[in-house]
Amino acid sequence: ETGVTQTPRHLVMGMTNKKSLKCEQHLGHNAMYWYKQSAKKPLELMFVYSLEERVENNSVPSRFSPECPNSSHLFLHLHTLQPEDSALYLCASSVKFLPGLAGGGEQFFGPGTRLTVL
Amino acid sequence: GQNIDQPTEMTATEGAIVQINCTYQTSGFNGLFWYQQHAGEAPTFLSYNVLDGLEEKGRFSSFLSRSKGYSYLLLKELQMKDSASYLCAVSVNYGQNFVFGPGTRLSVLP
Repeated sequence: ETGVTQTPRHLVMGMTNKKSLKCEQHLGHNAMYWYKQSAKKPLELMFVYSLEERVENNSVPSRFSPECPNSSHLFLHLHTLQPEDSALYLCASSVKFLPGLAGGGEQFFGPGTRLTVL
Repeated sequence: GQNIDQPTEMTATEGAIVQINCTYQTSGFNGLFWYQQHAGEAPTFLSYNVLDGLEEKGRFSSFLSRSKGYSYLLLKELQMKDSASYLCAVSVNYGQNFVFGPGTRLSVLP
């Protein structure tokens, strides 16, 4: 247990469905992240929320929409996904990065949601 | 652009020492992280380097040379449970972006 939980753990959806992934952290952190992990590809950062400020990532398609209602919760809303979006989606949290911060703001990852798009 | 390279796979024997290299070319640098990821599990933090030199933590050590864009993770007294993927990641733009390498899959043999 890392203090970061994700639900659901597994999700199968059709291309026309709308679903949401949920992440919750119990570590008192003030930064949260969504990552995509596909087979044989590096872990890819999708979105960052830091002190509830969102950092844009222009390479993420608009069919992925994040929401951070408070510093403990993070959502990823999914709609009209494609089969190539099938992957493991990992949430992480950390103390907001500051230069010289001990540990550099190490990230704590949740167990992930295994998403399959049919 | 951002690029991080690591060997894809390595094999070592239980009790031995192994060094996993990482080279990076990134637009900016605010520190380098190493994470361990067992199959089917989430990554877990191992080490962080922001200044040149060696950081030691028990059986694991990590080295950084910023001028060379190079880091390595050194694992001593290898155990079977060290079989995992090791991910090198660089923080750029003051935590607004983290670039991960492809990971090195380490197999520890008896």
